[in-house]
Amino acid sequence: GEDVEQSLFLSVREGDSSVINCTYTDSSSTYLYWYKQEPGAGLQLLTYIFSNMDMKQDQRLTVLLNKKDKHLSLRIADTQTGDSAIYFCAEKGNFGNEKLTFGTGTRLTIIP
Amino acid sequence: EPEVTQTPSHQVTQMGQEVILRCVPISNHLYFYWYRQILGQKVEFLVSFYNNEISEKSEIFDDQFSVERPDGSNFTLKIRSTKLEDSAMYFCASSENQGGNQPQHFGDGTRLSIL
Repeated sequence: GEDVEQSLFLSVREGDSSVINCTYTDSSSTYLYWYKQEPGAGLQLLTYIFSNMDMKQDQRLTVLLNKKDKHLSLRIADTQTGDSAIYFCAEKGNFGNEKLTFGTGTRLTIIP
Repeated sequence: EPEVTQTPSHQVTQMGQEVILRCVPISNHLYFYWYRQILGQKVEFLVSFYNNEISEKSEIFDDQFSVERPDGSNFTLKIRSTKLEDSAMYFCASSENQGGNQPQHFGDGTRLSIL
C-alpha cells in the first residue's frame, strides 16, 4: 500500500531557512500536499504540487518534487516564530482514488 | 475565507455508547471526508462521501461507523457502541470535486475520548 514518511523533528534558528523532507512510495501519486497544524488547530492547507511539476514557489514557501526518487521537500524562507507547528506531507493517488495518505508530520521548532 | 466547522471540539463518552460527530462543510463543496488521528499516529482516511452515498472507505470504516448528510449543510459521523480504541482526533474535510487541484480543506477536529 501507499506509505509516506517524514522525520519527526526539526529545529531551526529564526531567520534561517527550514527544509522539511518527505518520501512516498506510490508511483501513481498525482498530487502532493503540505498541511500545517498549529497547537489545538486543524490541518491548514499550505500548498500543493502536481506530479508533473518539479518546483512550485508561493511567497516564502518553495516545494521541490523529485518524482524519480519519490522525494518531496518544503522550504520555508526566513523562518519566523509563527512558523512553529507540525507540517504534514500528504499524497493523493490516481483520479478516482480520493483519499489522502499522510506522513507522520514534522514538528518544526524555531530557536530565537 | 470559508471554512469547515466541526462540533463539538471535545466529546467524552462512556465505552459502549453511541456518539455523533458533526461537521459543516464549505458550502459549494460536493465531496466530504472523515479522517482520524490516534494520539502519536498518522492521520488516517476513514471515508469519502459524494452525492449522498459513500464513494470510498478504508478498512477502519467497519459496520460500527456510518455517515450521513441529514440536511443541506451538515455531514455527520456516527460511531455505534464505542470502544476504547476509538479515542482519537476526528477530522472532517471537504473539496469542490475529487480532482487533486481542488484540495481537501479540513476542520479543526473533534477530540473523542472514550472512558
